[in-house]
Amino acid sequence: AQTVTQSQPEMSVQEAETVTLSCTYDTSESNYYLFWYKQPPSRQMILVIRQEAYKQQNATENRFSVNFQKAAKSFSLKISDSQLGDTAMYFCAFGITGTASKLTFGTGTRLQVTL
Amino acid sequence: EAQVTQNPRYLITVTGKKLTVTCSQNMNHEYMSWYRQDPGLGLRQIYYSMNVEVTDKGDVPEGYKVSRKEKRNFPLILESPSPNQTSLYFCASRLSGEETQYFGPGTRLLVL
Repeated sequence: AQTVTQSQPEMSVQEAETVTLSCTYDTSESNYYLFWYKQPPSRQMILVIRQEAYKQQNATENRFSVNFQKAAKSFSLKISDSQLGDTAMYFCAFGITGTASKLTFGTGTRLQVTL
Repeated sequence: EAQVTQNPRYLITVTGKKLTVTCSQNMNHEYMSWYRQDPGLGLRQIYYSMNVEVTDKGDVPEGYKVSRKEKRNFPLILESPSPNQTSLYFCASRLSGEETQYFGPGTRLLVL
């Protein structure tokens, strides 16, 4: 069975600063995907970024980037130039390639961006 | 607009009163799933469907039923709701061959 661990229940960062959210996972699979989802107060689940395990290059999406360390089974999210709108719960999720739609989620990190 | 919709968005009910939460997607996705979100537990998969008439249990299926009679719809049925099913429920869908799941807006359920 797969597990996803987010060890930081809450974090805070000042506007315009950089913050890194941690995620580790455990699996014996070799083909999988990793995701970061954002959940703002509206409760909507919004995809932030995804990483294919077979790709060595770290994914980036504008101010969001990941540090994917496959051997260490680590998948951290870096948010640069933090904005007030980044305030949300962030979930790390794991999915095995080609399986029946199951994502395994971590317990989330609540990020507060302050002035 | 490509989207996953859920209804109702909020529901308060009493123990034992059957209810259905609907989910519909307009993206022609084969795969659909239901998750529940509880504080401190993240999201957990309840049921999933790989296509019409093909469904299977996820991690927490007890107390729930689903059906997939049409590709676009995947309703979640609670035949006899109990207070431990009070939760935030999400429907999600994805295209076969694609790994990214798209989530509905969520349904907040309170069972008294």
